[in-house]
Amino acid sequence: KQEVTQIPAALSVPEGENLVLNCSFTDSAIYNLQWFRQDPGKGLTSLLLIQSSQREQTSGRLNASLDKSSGRSTLYIAASQPGDSATYLCAVKGSSNTGKLIFGQGTTLQVKP
Amino acid sequence: SAVISQKPSRDICQRGTSLTIQCQVDSQVTMMFWYRQQPGQSLTLIATANQGSEATYESGFVIDKFPISRPNLTFSTLTVSNMSPEDSSIYLCSVVRADEQFFGPGTRLTVL
Repeated sequence: KQEVTQIPAALSVPEGENLVLNCSFTDSAIYNLQWFRQDPGKGLTSLLLIQSSQREQTSGRLNASLDKSSGRSTLYIAASQPGDSATYLCAVKGSSNTGKLIFGQGTTLQVKP
Repeated sequence: SAVISQKPSRDICQRGTSLTIQCQVDSQVTMMFWYRQQPGQSLTLIATANQGSEATYESGFVIDKFPISRPNLTFSTLTVSNMSPEDSSIYLCSVVRADEQFFGPGTRLTVL
């Protein structure tokens, strides 16, 4: 059974700092991995999608890496801003013909001005 | 990307009643998915809704409690039946497009 763990559960940093969020999964047989952002009481915004054959994806100040063999992904946020404050969720998909994502518990980030 | 809308955005309901949540997608999709996010928890898939066939439910979720309709390729409804306070959650509709999963804004349900 696939399990996804995110560390740390919460993180507080000063504005401008670079930071790394971690995600680990127990079954390396994944189809893809996706990082989401969730603002309080809101839905999810897709940040980055990494296919199982890829090692990393970048979008603006965000960079996500994937190491399938070790069951790990990281989300790197450069030059953090107060607007980055949110909960970041990592989710893995086991096969292509499904919409079932297994989610981690999330990392709640606070960026202080 | 995908543009997904849900109605209502939030509701407060009495125990024993039912609530139907609507989900509308901006273009046709084969499968639509319903997730639940309980307070302080992450998301869990309730069921997959296919047009023209019965929904497929995940372990722990049953049709009598969460009946789903999928009348066409852009619309689905999820009903939360005979509600109890334990059903207080955010319910989210989701679709997949080009392998990427997108979510609606969610329906925040509080059951008193």
